[in-house]
Amino acid sequence: GAVVSQHPSRVICKSGTSVKIECRSLDFQATTMFWYRQFPKKSLMLMATSNEGSKATYEQGVEKDKFLINHASLTLSTLTVTSAHPEDSSFYICSAPLGGSGENQPQHFGDGTRLSIL
Amino acid sequence: QKEVEQNSGPLSVPEGAIASLNCTYSDRGSQSFFWYRQYSGKSPELIMSIYSNGDKEDGRFTAQLNKASQYVSLLIRDSQPSDSATYLCATRTGGGNKLTFGTGTQLKVEL
Repeated sequence: GAVVSQHPSRVICKSGTSVKIECRSLDFQATTMFWYRQFPKKSLMLMATSNEGSKATYEQGVEKDKFLINHASLTLSTLTVTSAHPEDSSFYICSAPLGGSGENQPQHFGDGTRLSIL
Repeated sequence: QKEVEQNSGPLSVPEGAIASLNCTYSDRGSQSFFWYRQYSGKSPELIMSIYSNGDKEDGRFTAQLNKASQYVSLLIRDSQPSDSATYLCATRTGGGNKLTFGTGTQLKVEL
């Protein structure tokens, strides 16, 4: 069964809306989670590393004020796309290493959130 | 030079054949290697992980790692139409859990 739960699975909203996406680790604690974005027929692009109890680490070129990440508990990370515009339309996927943050732990992905901004 | 390279495909194989997917990586410090399967419109699903040189078998899947050649592969025996998907190779370097993904190889298993 799923080990990482992501919600919602699909969002369609108007330009200028802020959208929050939740990522939960099921039955395990994740001090680190990862947020990816994937455009059609492209590979996964890491956006940021979410760290429990501290600031997220953003990849180069990703606007931290645009994509707000909060990792308030050991099982929940949220990504908020603020004032979303059509170019933010994409497939957003979170992942967490099973077993916490230990090395060599494979990452498991949530089901993804398809965001469409009109 | 891309850190993790894969042939984008599509790789077409007949049903029942062996599909061979290849991946090369540039960072010699890479320690962990993963294969993910991604169906169209879905998120990636972990297929195999491999950490040491040699072969690792799990059902119809075999991962092969050669650190000297910086090469990792995935063999799928008795390929089924349901295996048709994009296969992503990923590596992890050093400490932490950050993964670097290849662009994926599209596999098509034909009846």
